Amino acid sequence: GIQVEQSPPDLILQEGANSTLRCNFSDSVNNLQWFHQNPWGQLINLFYIPSGTKQNGRLSATTVATERYSLLYISSSQTTDSGVYFCAVEASDKLIFGTGTRLQVFP
Amino acid sequence: KAGVTQTPRYLIKTRGQQVTLSCSPISGHRSVSWYQQTPGQGLQFLFEYFSETQRNKGNFPGRFSGRQFSNSRSEMNVSTLELGDSALYLCASSQWGVANYGYTFGSGTRLTVV
Repeated sequence: GIQVEQSPPDLILQEGANSTLRCNFSDSVNNLQWFHQNPWGQLINLFYIPSGTKQNGRLSATTVATERYSLLYISSSQTTDSGVYFCAVEASDKLIFGTGTRLQVFP
Repeated sequence: KAGVTQTPRYLIKTRGQQVTLSCSPISGHRSVSWYQQTPGQGLQFLFEYFSETQRNKGNFPGRFSGRQFSNSRSEMNVSTLELGDSALYLCASSQWGVANYGYTFGSGTRLTVV
């Protein structure tokens, strides 16, 4: 089956710093989503991005489907950005998740 | 527009018991899928329902089952609970057949088996 790898596994930043999270996937996929899991466990949809680039405030994402990777950029990080970021690809009508990047932002 | 609603939020059960979790999708969404999250295995797909039919099933034992009603609400059931079933169970809804904006998740049900 499709493998989804995320890097880095852990990231510690000071408030105001920028960061790039990476997601590699092993085969062609129908779509790709980035999620932020908050401390209460809910997965918040950040981007639906099967290809191209999207921006939403301080966050932006780029997916290069032909090279099988996606990047999530977080600029001017805030403490509220802390949590786990998941990349998930859709294949055979289900989502396959990566293992996540745990981000901690300190004031 | 209301989001995906899961009930209950927390549940404590004893080994051997059974449990039923509920998920109400976003209005107009006809697809509901379930995922289990554990520290060891991460997020894993359980099953997906569309128009009351199970279309896809993950690699879980038969103790895990589900169903979908005509109003698209879904329930999942776990029988003969084991300690390893302790997990966060997440439900997601999505549209089908129209412009796909991906999956939207509920807040989850945290199940503890003691």
